[in-house]
Parts: sequence; C-alpha cells; structure tokens
Amino acid sequence: DAEITQSPRHKITETGRQVTLACHQTWNHNNMFWYRQDLGHGLRLIHYSYGVHDTNKGEVSDGYSVSRSNTEDLPLTLESAASSQTSVYFCASSPGTSSTGQFFGPGTRLTVL
Amino acid sequence: GENVEQHPSTLSVQEGDSAVIKCTYSDSASNYFPWYKQELGKRPQLIIDIRSNVGEKKDQRIAVTLNKTAKHFSLHITETQPEDSAVYFCAASKPGGFKTIFGAGTRLFVKA
Repeated sequence: DAEITQSPRHKITETGRQVTLACHQTWNHNNMFWYRQDLGHGLRLIHYSYGVHDTNKGEVSDGYSVSRSNTEDLPLTLESAASSQTSVYFCASSPGTSSTGQFFGPGTRLTVL
Repeated sequence: GENVEQHPSTLSVQEGDSAVIKCTYSDSASNYFPWYKQELGKRPQLIIDIRSNVGEKKDQRIAVTLNKTAKHFSLHITETQPEDSAVYFCAASKPGGFKTIFGAGTRLFVKA
C-alpha cells in the first residue's frame, strides 16, 4: 500500500549539530510539506514543495532547509540545531491537481539538548 | 497575513451530547476547509472537508458548515463517544496553491 514514512521517529541531538529528518512518500504526490507541532501552536508550516526542484518557505522557516531532488523525498535539515527547535515534526503530502486534504507521516520527535 | 482562529481550545462534553468547534479565517480567497483529528501520540488525519461552493456537508455523526460572508466554518459532532476524544484542527487553503493554514486546535474530551 502507498504510504508516507518519516525517519528517525525519535532523535536526541546537541545544540549546534546538523540534523536531517527524512520524509518518503510512495503516492507519487507532487506536494510535500513540513510542519512542526508545539503545544498551543497547532501545526506551523516550515517549508513546502510543489514538485521536483521546487521549495518554498513557510511561516517558521528560519534555521531549516529542504531540497527536492525527486518526487518521493523531502528531507528537512536543521543547519545548527537550537533548543527552540525541540518539537514534533510532521511531514505531509497531497496530490497536485486541486486543493485536497493532506496525508501526514507518523512524526519525528526531536529533542535538542 | 493569513490566519485561522479556532475556538474553544478545550471542550469537555458528556457522552451522547453534541460538540461544536468554530473557526474563523482571514483570507476571503480561501476556498477549501479541511478538518483533521489527531489522537494522542498519532498523526493528524483528515475527517471531513468542505469547499466554498457548498454550505454544509455531513458524514454520519460529523458535519461541517461554512458561512463565506462571515468567514466562519464549524465542525459539529453529534452523539459523541469516548473514541471522539482527540485534538481537532480546522484549516484553510486558497485556490491555485496547496499551502494550508491550520488553527491552533481544540482538545475534545468526551466523558463516559
């Protein structure tokens, strides 16, 4: 069955380290999104992509980067992890034909010490 | 900028009662309004959606209403059950783009 996966599911790192969170979907969706979820803030958009080689900044993009080299993957990189980036990160995807709901991955819990 | 406000932040109801969650959006160009349910420790999942050319949509015990003039939309859950306990998110997106703005969420408790 088609799915969307994230890895790792849990990560503990230290301040200043570079961290990459993986997201892989097998639906062949054009659109992919990264969100962070913090108590009281709901889901905040970090970066998104509408297709290969397309990337866009969301509302909380500072300190994060993404690249889209193929349809299936949108890795999220924290260039220099900060304690404020401790959060749960969700990747999501949706078809590129019209506005539709998004399919979310299982999430990655990141702790920056 | 684009904004979606959601109320209440917490809602507690007795099993069998109805629950209503309300959202307001700021961008009048928004035309797609999904609702997501997130159980504890799980991923958000789409439960119902509505487009701007429709005023109401129903799926068994859940329904969504949209008032474009007032830029309000609401989720209604009837005959609530303990398994309805979760965080519910409303969201809005505009035509031509797929970026979605989420509300802050409502934590629903259904007491048995």
